[in-house]
Amino acid sequence: GDSVTQMEGPVTLSEEAFLTINCTYTATGYPSLFWYVQYPGEGLQLLLKATKADDKGSNKGFEATYRKETTSFHLEKGSVQVSDSAVYFCALSDDDKIIFGKGTRLHILP
Amino acid sequence: DAGVIQSPRHEVTEMGQEVTLRCKPISGHNSLFWYRQTMMRGLELLIYFNNNVPIDDSGMPEDRFSAKMPNASFSTLKIQPSEPRDSAVYFCASSLAVRQGPYNEQFFGPGTRLTVL
Repeated sequence: GDSVTQMEGPVTLSEEAFLTINCTYTATGYPSLFWYVQYPGEGLQLLLKATKADDKGSNKGFEATYRKETTSFHLEKGSVQVSDSAVYFCALSDDDKIIFGKGTRLHILP
Repeated sequence: DAGVIQSPRHEVTEMGQEVTLRCKPISGHNSLFWYRQTMMRGLELLIYFNNNVPIDDSGMPEDRFSAKMPNASFSTLKIQPSEPRDSAVYFCASSLAVRQGPYNEQFFGPGTRLTVL
C-alpha cells in the first residue's frame, strides 16, 4: 500500500541555520503531497502542499517540491527560527484519507 | 469559525472504566477522522466518516473501541473497557470532501490526552 518515509529526529539546529527534512513516498497513483506541523500541545495543521509533479508548495518560508522521478518531497527552510520548533509530518493523499509519516521533531536553539 | 472542538482536553481514568471522547467538526465539513497518537506508534488513523457514514474502521484496534456519528455536527469515540495501553492523545479532524481524493485539507482539533491508570 501507499506509504511515507521521513527522516527520524530529533533534528537540532541553531537559529538561522538551513533546514532540510527528507521525505520519500510510495504510491500506486498520483497523490497530492503535504507537510503538516504540530506545535506543542496542539493538533496538526497544514503547512504546505503540492498536488502534481514539479509543483512547489511554500508557506512561512518553508518550501517543498514534488519530485516524481525521485518520489520525494523534502522540506526546506533557508533560515530557521526558535518558533519553528515543532514536529513536522510528511503526508500523502490516498483516495479520501491522508497517510502520515512518523514525524520529525525539530529543535531550534537560540 | 471555532475550528474542530474536542472534549474533554484531558481525561484520567482507571482501567476497566468506560471512556467517551467527543468531537464537533467544522460546520459544513462532511468528512470526520479519528486518530490516535503515541510516541511508539506515531499517528494512527482509527476510523473515518463521510456524510456521517463510517467508511473505513480498519484502524480501530479492537472491539473495545467504537465510534459513532449521529449527525453532521457530532461524533464520539468510546473505549469500553479501557486499558493502560489505550493511553494516548486522540485527535479528531474534519474536512470538506468536495471531490474524491487529494485536495481535501484536514483540520485537526486540539486533541484529548487520555491516561488510563
